[in-house]
Amino acid sequence: DIQMTQSPSSLSASVGDRVTITCRASQGIRSDLGWYQQKPGKAPKRLIYAASSLQSGVPSRFSGSGSGTAFTLTISSLQPEDFATYYCLQHNNYPLTFGGGTKVEIK
Amino acid sequence: EVQLVESGGDLVQPGGSLRLSCAASGFTFSTFWMTWVRQAPGKGLEWVANIKKDGSEIYYVDSVRGRFTISRDNAKNSLFLQMNSLRAEDTAVYYCVTGQSIAYWGQGTLVTVSS
Repeated sequence: DIQMTQSPSSLSASVGDRVTITCRASQGIRSDLGWYQQKPGKAPKRLIYAASSLQSGVPSRFSGSGSGTAFTLTISSLQPEDFATYYCLQHNNYPLTFGGGTKVEIK
Repeated sequence: EVQLVESGGDLVQPGGSLRLSCAASGFTFSTFWMTWVRQAPGKGLEWVANIKKDGSEIYYVDSVRGRFTISRDNAKNSLFLQMNSLRAEDTAVYYCVTGQSIAYWGQGTLVTVSS
């Protein structure tokens, strides 16, 4: 199975900060990676697909990069509505696997 | 607009069975792979199973293989998950999602396995 190691598991940041979250795959997954945002009590929402493509309707302050084994989600200027938990997902190989999540909290 | 509405979640005893349903609308259901993902209370996300457009390919996570069965009815735009021999560790919100790359999500249905 491909392990997705996501870091950090949590972070505290202020509105306007630049935030970076990382996912590392235990083996190469090309660009078969998505990023998701989940708010308490709600279903996840996809932000990024194919590692770097912005999902329709998602603000441009979100961006993704990477391929192979190392991936990054960046929020260029954190907004109040961005405080949530973020997950990566690899869909290159079965079983599909998610990262452990990053909780972004208000500093 | 893509809509996915799950139903069938309930409280069930260990060893019991449950059938989840997902009603899809707003897209051509028969042209998409479909997937179930679950989330235990306070935990992360776990892929459970998915099924090809015509049902000809199916994949499961090891922990449910042999106990859960995913199926679909393209004529009724519906996805199903038959869950047998349920265990406490199957307690979770179950989400119906579109595609192998997991794009759109339903709101989920809660399955609680407890005596």
